Amino acid sequence: QSALTQPASVSGSPGQSITISCTGTSSDVGGYNYVSWYQQHTGKAPKLMIYEVSNRPSGVSNRFSGSKSGNTASLNISGLQAEDEADYYCSSYTSSRTAVFGGGTKVTVL
Amino acid sequence: EVQLVDSGGGLVQPGGSLRLSCAASGFTFSSYGMNWVRQAPGKGLEWVSYISSNGRSIYYADSMKGRFTISRDNAKKSLYLQMNSLRDEDTAVYYCARGDLTRFDPWGQGTLVTVSS
Repeated sequence: QSALTQPASVSGSPGQSITISCTGTSSDVGGYNYVSWYQQHTGKAPKLMIYEVSNRPSGVSNRFSGSKSGNTASLNISGLQAEDEADYYCSSYTSSRTAVFGGGTKVTVL
Repeated sequence: EVQLVDSGGGLVQPGGSLRLSCAASGFTFSSYGMNWVRQAPGKGLEWVSYISSNGRSIYYADSMKGRFTISRDNAKKSLYLQMNSLRDEDTAVYYCARGDLTRFDPWGQGTLVTVSS
């Protein structure tokens, strides 16, 4: 199972909006509404930010939103803040009854 | 508070074995599927294995099949990963995470496994 494709890095100024893409295939991202997104600060465990494409767990800021079109899912962060600087990973359920992660995107707040 | 605590990591020689543990608290452990996910130094996340709530359904990533064995003890609220025939490329932080393959939440703090001679 090949990793999902994410951009290596995305940056933005405070207050701006950024979007991170996550591209897979019809066997994972495109085939199921089971895309999730994780935030990982340096040296910390990942934290669930979005599940089932666009749902936010309790406690996650509404500045984070998710969507999907075809084989590509996206995470949008609006009103970018310094605390959003972290690595972000997408994940998808697959037709092989496994899970696959993206390679990760480093978000930098300028 | 829902909590997962990973343990059992350490330094092991290539070809050696190690057993990781994950202790759960704050939720009904026996009602949830569980996973292991690993992260090599400076690299991304890699899903390793899943076990269903009753232990009857088990899945592995292809590169781990035949070498790693996931198991659980619901009475002890614990998850395990037995790792055999370890290779240099298995060096990583190993996290346990609650979930059913569609989402992982929460995660343990991770335990570092270093495979080196």
